[in-house]
Amino acid sequence: EVQLLQSGPEVKKPGESLRISCKASGYTFASYWIGWVRQMPGKGLEWMGIIYPTDSDTRYSPSFQGLVTISAGKSFTTAYLQWSSLKASDTGMYYCVRQVGSDWTGYYFDYWGQGTLVTVSS
Amino acid sequence: QTVVTQEPSFSVSPGGTVTLTCGLSSGSVSSSYFPNWYRQTPGQAPRTLIYSTNTRSSGVPDRFSGSILGNKAALTITGAQADDESDYYCVLYMGSGISVFGPGTKVTVL
Repeated sequence: EVQLLQSGPEVKKPGESLRISCKASGYTFASYWIGWVRQMPGKGLEWMGIIYPTDSDTRYSPSFQGLVTISAGKSFTTAYLQWSSLKASDTGMYYCVRQVGSDWTGYYFDYWGQGTLVTVSS
Repeated sequence: QTVVTQEPSFSVSPGGTVTLTCGLSSGSVSSSYFPNWYRQTPGQAPRTLIYSTNTRSSGVPDRFSGSILGNKAALTITGAQADDESDYYCVLYMGSGISVFGPGTKVTVL
Protein backbone atom coordinates (compact mmCIF):
# COMPACT_ATOMS: atom_id res chain seq x y z
CA GLU A 1 0.00 0.00 0.00
CA VAL A 2 1.37 3.38 -1.01
CA GLN A 3 1.69 5.77 1.90
CA LEU A 4 3.15 9.25 2.32
CA LEU A 5 3.75 9.99 5.99
CA GLN A 6 4.58 13.56 6.81
CA SER A 7 6.36 14.99 9.83
CA GLY A 8 4.43 16.65 12.62
CA PRO A 9 3.26 20.24 13.12
CA GLU A 10 5.81 22.98 13.55
CA VAL A 11 5.71 26.34 15.33
CA LYS A 12 8.52 28.68 14.38
CA LYS A 13 9.50 32.33 14.63
CA PRO A 14 10.12 34.59 11.64
CA GLY A 15 13.68 34.28 10.40
CA GLU A 16 14.12 30.70 11.62
CA SER A 17 14.91 27.82 9.31
CA LEU A 18 12.79 24.71 8.91
CA ARG A 19 12.78 21.39 7.08
CA ILE A 20 9.68 19.21 6.94
CA SER A 21 9.64 15.67 5.62
CA CYS A 22 7.53 13.17 3.75
CA LYS A 23 8.42 9.49 4.09
CA ALA A 24 7.21 7.32 1.25
CA SER A 25 6.50 3.60 1.43
CA GLY A 26 4.82 0.90 -0.62
CA TYR A 27 6.41 1.76 -3.97
CA THR A 28 9.78 2.36 -5.62
CA PHE A 29 10.54 5.83 -4.30
CA ALA A 30 13.17 6.67 -6.91
CA SER A 31 10.82 6.06 -9.85
CA TYR A 32 8.14 8.69 -9.22
CA TRP A 33 8.08 12.45 -8.97
CA ILE A 34 7.20 13.67 -5.49
CA GLY A 35 6.10 17.18 -4.75
CA TRP A 36 4.63 19.72 -2.37
CA VAL A 37 1.36 21.64 -2.26
CA ARG A 38 0.66 24.59 0.02
CA GLN A 39 -2.66 25.63 1.52
CA MET A 40 -2.65 28.88 3.42
CA PRO A 41 -5.32 29.27 6.13
CA GLY A 42 -8.76 29.47 4.56
CA LYS A 43 -7.30 29.52 1.05
CA GLY A 44 -6.90 27.22 -1.92
CA LEU A 45 -4.24 24.75 -2.97
CA GLU A 46 -1.00 25.89 -4.60
CA TRP A 47 1.47 23.66 -6.44
CA MET A 48 4.98 24.44 -5.21
CA GLY A 49 7.30 22.05 -7.00
CA ILE A 50 8.44 18.50 -7.53
CA ILE A 51 11.58 16.38 -7.46
CA TYR A 52 12.54 13.16 -9.23
CA PRO A 53 14.56 11.23 -6.64
CA THR A 54 16.57 9.21 -9.15
CA ASP A 55 18.50 12.22 -10.42
CA SER A 56 17.23 15.03 -8.14
CA ASP A 57 15.75 16.85 -11.13
CA THR A 58 13.68 19.57 -9.46
CA ARG A 59 11.00 21.85 -10.90
CA TYR A 60 9.55 24.83 -9.06
CA SER A 61 6.51 26.98 -9.54
CA PRO A 62 7.68 30.52 -10.40
CA SER A 63 5.81 31.62 -7.28
CA PHE A 64 8.06 29.52 -5.05
CA GLN A 65 11.37 29.50 -6.94
CA GLY A 66 14.12 30.78 -4.64
CA LEU A 67 11.84 30.79 -1.59
CA VAL A 68 11.98 27.10 -0.72
CA THR A 69 14.18 24.10 -1.46
CA ILE A 70 12.85 20.67 -2.34
CA SER A 71 15.15 17.71 -1.88
CA ALA A 72 14.99 13.94 -1.57
CA GLY A 73 17.02 11.29 0.17
CA LYS A 74 16.80 8.09 -1.82
CA SER A 75 18.31 5.95 0.92
CA PHE A 76 15.63 7.00 3.37
CA THR A 77 12.83 7.26 0.80
CA THR A 78 12.05 10.69 2.12
CA ALA A 79 11.35 14.01 0.46
CA TYR A 80 11.95 17.33 2.14
CA LEU A 81 10.71 20.89 1.93
CA GLN A 82 13.04 23.46 3.41
CA TRP A 83 13.03 27.17 4.26
CA SER A 84 16.17 29.10 5.22
CA SER A 85 14.35 32.10 6.69
CA LEU A 86 10.66 31.75 7.47
CA LYS A 87 8.12 34.54 7.18
CA ALA A 88 4.70 34.84 8.77
CA SER A 89 3.24 34.39 5.27
CA ASP A 90 4.70 30.85 5.17
CA THR A 91 2.06 29.80 7.69
CA GLY A 92 -0.08 27.06 6.22
CA MET A 93 -0.68 23.39 5.64
CA TYR A 94 1.80 21.65 3.40
CA TYR A 95 0.93 18.42 1.61
CA CYS A 96 3.35 16.11 -0.11
CA VAL A 97 2.02 14.38 -3.20
CA ARG A 98 3.14 11.64 -5.54
CA GLN A 99 2.95 13.06 -9.04
CA VAL A 100 2.57 10.47 -11.79
CA GLY A 101 2.55 10.74 -15.55
CA SER A 102 4.70 12.22 -18.27
CA ASP A 103 4.92 15.14 -20.66
CA TRP A 104 2.96 13.04 -23.14
CA THR A 105 0.14 11.93 -20.85
CA GLY A 106 0.16 14.81 -18.41
CA TYR A 107 0.61 14.53 -14.68
CA TYR A 108 -1.68 14.11 -11.73
CA PHE A 109 -1.36 13.51 -8.01
CA ASP A 110 -2.42 10.00 -7.09
CA TYR A 111 -1.39 9.90 -3.43
CA TRP A 112 -1.39 12.64 -0.81
CA GLY A 113 0.28 12.91 2.57
CA GLN A 114 -1.78 13.85 5.59
CA GLY A 115 -0.35 17.36 5.67
CA THR A 116 2.06 19.23 7.94
CA LEU A 117 0.85 22.41 9.62
CA VAL A 118 3.51 25.11 9.77
CA THR A 119 2.85 28.14 11.97
CA VAL A 120 5.22 31.09 11.83
CA SER A 121 4.60 33.69 14.48
CA SER A 122 6.60 35.99 16.66
CA GLN B 1 1.10 35.32 -16.34
CA THR B 2 -1.79 33.02 -17.26
CA VAL B 3 -4.19 32.33 -14.42
CA VAL B 4 -6.46 29.31 -13.99
CA THR B 5 -10.08 30.27 -13.34
CA GLN B 6 -12.96 28.51 -11.58
CA GLU B 7 -16.36 29.60 -10.36
CA PRO B 8 -16.14 30.65 -6.68
CA SER B 9 -19.23 28.71 -5.67
CA PHE B 10 -22.13 26.60 -6.87
CA SER B 11 -25.28 25.36 -5.24
CA VAL B 12 -27.06 22.16 -6.30
CA SER B 13 -30.16 20.38 -5.08
CA PRO B 14 -29.92 16.79 -3.84
CA GLY B 15 -30.22 14.53 -6.86
CA GLY B 16 -29.44 17.38 -9.20
CA THR B 17 -26.63 17.92 -11.68
CA VAL B 18 -23.94 20.55 -11.53
CA THR B 19 -21.12 21.33 -13.94
CA LEU B 20 -18.01 23.10 -12.70
CA THR B 21 -15.60 24.64 -15.17
CA CYS B 22 -11.89 25.35 -15.31
CA GLY B 23 -10.59 27.97 -17.69
CA LEU B 24 -7.64 30.19 -18.45
CA SER B 25 -7.46 33.95 -18.12
CA SER B 26 -5.93 33.95 -21.57
CA GLY B 27 -6.63 31.23 -24.07
CA SER B 28 -8.55 27.96 -24.13
CA VAL B 29 -8.22 24.79 -22.12
CA SER B 30 -7.83 21.69 -24.26
CA SER B 31 -7.02 18.10 -23.49
CA SER B 32 -3.37 19.07 -24.01
CA TYR B 33 -3.48 20.60 -20.54
CA PHE B 34 -4.48 17.16 -19.16
CA PRO B 35 -6.92 18.71 -16.65
CA ASN B 36 -7.29 17.05 -13.26
CA TRP B 37 -9.93 17.47 -10.59
CA TYR B 38 -9.61 17.10 -6.82
CA ARG B 39 -12.05 17.51 -3.97
CA GLN B 40 -11.36 18.57 -0.42
CA THR B 41 -13.60 18.62 2.61
CA PRO B 42 -12.70 20.81 5.61
CA GLY B 43 -9.85 19.45 7.68
CA GLN B 44 -9.05 16.68 5.21
CA ALA B 45 -6.35 16.13 2.64
CA PRO B 46 -7.54 16.46 -0.96
CA ARG B 47 -8.68 13.43 -2.91
CA THR B 48 -8.13 12.76 -6.60
CA LEU B 49 -11.30 12.56 -8.70
CA ILE B 50 -10.42 12.88 -12.38
CA TYR B 51 -7.19 12.99 -14.36
CA SER B 52 -6.26 13.46 -18.01
CA THR B 53 -9.55 15.23 -18.69
CA ASN B 54 -11.94 12.33 -18.11
CA THR B 55 -10.30 9.36 -16.38
CA ARG B 56 -11.79 8.60 -12.99
CA SER B 57 -9.38 7.79 -10.19
CA SER B 58 -9.76 4.41 -8.50
CA GLY B 59 -12.90 4.19 -6.40
CA VAL B 60 -14.51 7.37 -7.73
CA PRO B 61 -18.18 6.79 -8.57
CA ASP B 62 -19.29 7.25 -12.16
CA ARG B 63 -21.56 10.15 -11.25
CA PHE B 64 -18.37 12.22 -11.44
CA SER B 65 -17.29 12.85 -15.01
CA GLY B 66 -14.77 15.09 -16.73
CA SER B 67 -14.82 16.65 -20.16
CA ILE B 68 -13.87 19.63 -22.28
CA LEU B 69 -16.82 21.99 -22.83
CA GLY B 70 -16.10 24.73 -25.30
CA ASN B 71 -12.87 26.37 -24.20
CA LYS B 72 -12.86 25.02 -20.64
CA ALA B 73 -12.40 21.79 -18.75
CA ALA B 74 -15.49 20.65 -16.91
CA LEU B 75 -16.41 18.43 -13.97
CA THR B 76 -20.00 17.24 -13.90
CA ILE B 77 -21.61 15.76 -10.81
CA THR B 78 -24.86 13.95 -11.53
CA GLY B 79 -27.25 12.83 -8.81
CA ALA B 80 -25.64 15.12 -6.24
CA GLN B 81 -25.54 13.81 -2.69
CA ALA B 82 -25.17 15.64 0.60
CA ASP B 83 -21.62 14.39 1.05
CA ASP B 84 -20.61 15.94 -2.28
CA GLU B 85 -20.39 19.23 -0.42
CA SER B 86 -16.71 20.04 -0.84
CA ASP B 87 -14.24 22.37 -2.41
CA TYR B 88 -13.34 21.24 -5.91
CA TYR B 89 -10.03 22.17 -7.51
CA CYS B 90 -8.87 21.79 -11.06
CA VAL B 91 -5.23 21.49 -12.04
CA LEU B 92 -3.77 22.19 -15.46
CA TYR B 93 -0.43 20.93 -16.72
CA MET B 94 1.68 23.76 -18.14
CA GLY B 95 4.57 21.65 -19.40
CA SER B 96 8.10 21.05 -18.08
CA GLY B 97 6.66 19.20 -15.10
CA ILE B 98 4.82 22.27 -13.84
CA SER B 99 1.19 22.19 -12.75
CA VAL B 100 -1.11 24.99 -11.65
CA PHE B 101 -4.17 24.80 -9.40
CA GLY B 102 -7.30 26.79 -9.97
CA PRO B 103 -8.70 28.79 -7.04
CA GLY B 104 -11.35 26.18 -6.26
CA THR B 105 -15.14 26.03 -6.34
CA LYS B 106 -17.18 25.58 -3.18
CA VAL B 107 -20.14 23.29 -3.86
CA THR B 108 -23.13 23.39 -1.56
CA VAL B 109 -25.86 20.74 -1.71
CA LEU B 110 -29.20 22.05 -0.46
